[in-house]
Amino acid sequence: DTGVSQDPRHKITKRGQNVTFRCDPISEHNRLYWYRQTLGQGPEFLTYFQNEAQLEKSRLLSDRFSAERPKGSFSTLEIQRTEQGDSAMYLCASSLSGRGGEKLFFGSGTQLSVL
Amino acid sequence: AQTVTQSQPEMSVQEAETVTLSCTYDTSESDYYLFWYKQPPSRQMILVIRQEAYKQQNATENRFSVNFQKAAKSFSLKISDSQLGDAAMYFCAYTFGNEKLTFGTGTRLTIIP
Repeated sequence: DTGVSQDPRHKITKRGQNVTFRCDPISEHNRLYWYRQTLGQGPEFLTYFQNEAQLEKSRLLSDRFSAERPKGSFSTLEIQRTEQGDSAMYLCASSLSGRGGEKLFFGSGTQLSVL
Repeated sequence: AQTVTQSQPEMSVQEAETVTLSCTYDTSESDYYLFWYKQPPSRQMILVIRQEAYKQQNATENRFSVNFQKAAKSFSLKISDSQLGDAAMYFCAYTFGNEKLTFGTGTRLTIIP
């Protein structure tokens, strides 16, 4: 169990550029979540997958955002045409689905700065 | 919509003393789960304690315990014998079962040596 890993740890980009983040969950976990955290706030839910199926997307996830989990293992989150308001920390978490309220294991996040 | 409120942006406590962090939430569900997560400067969210709403008994994990008041929709965290390593942001969180967590805005806890 090596934990949830996210890459890169930091990303600086110019407004209008596309960026992609990667998340590798704990290997046996079938659920994977993306959250966004801005300064002084708690994380906000963006989307989650069960295996390769994307089951829910938040209204926060505009059509410039797309997430995939092609083989039910790692996931990518892409932001197209970045805006300064996209600057935030993007957190990934994974869990093993059960009867409910299961523990989420979080990665250390990707800090995005849009200049 | 479910909301989670943490009314204390910052708290401080002397090392070895006890501190209580407050959390209230709003939900129309009867069966749900509540959590306290800790976020140290490393940024990784770490689960501190978990409470199932249908259980009346308050959860405890070593020096950490909760006071769960379902009718009042209150879920406070008590940290006993505070240690320097407890310094972090603490987030209260809620879910009604699909692990889609709703977080509060957090409380920054400082430990005074």
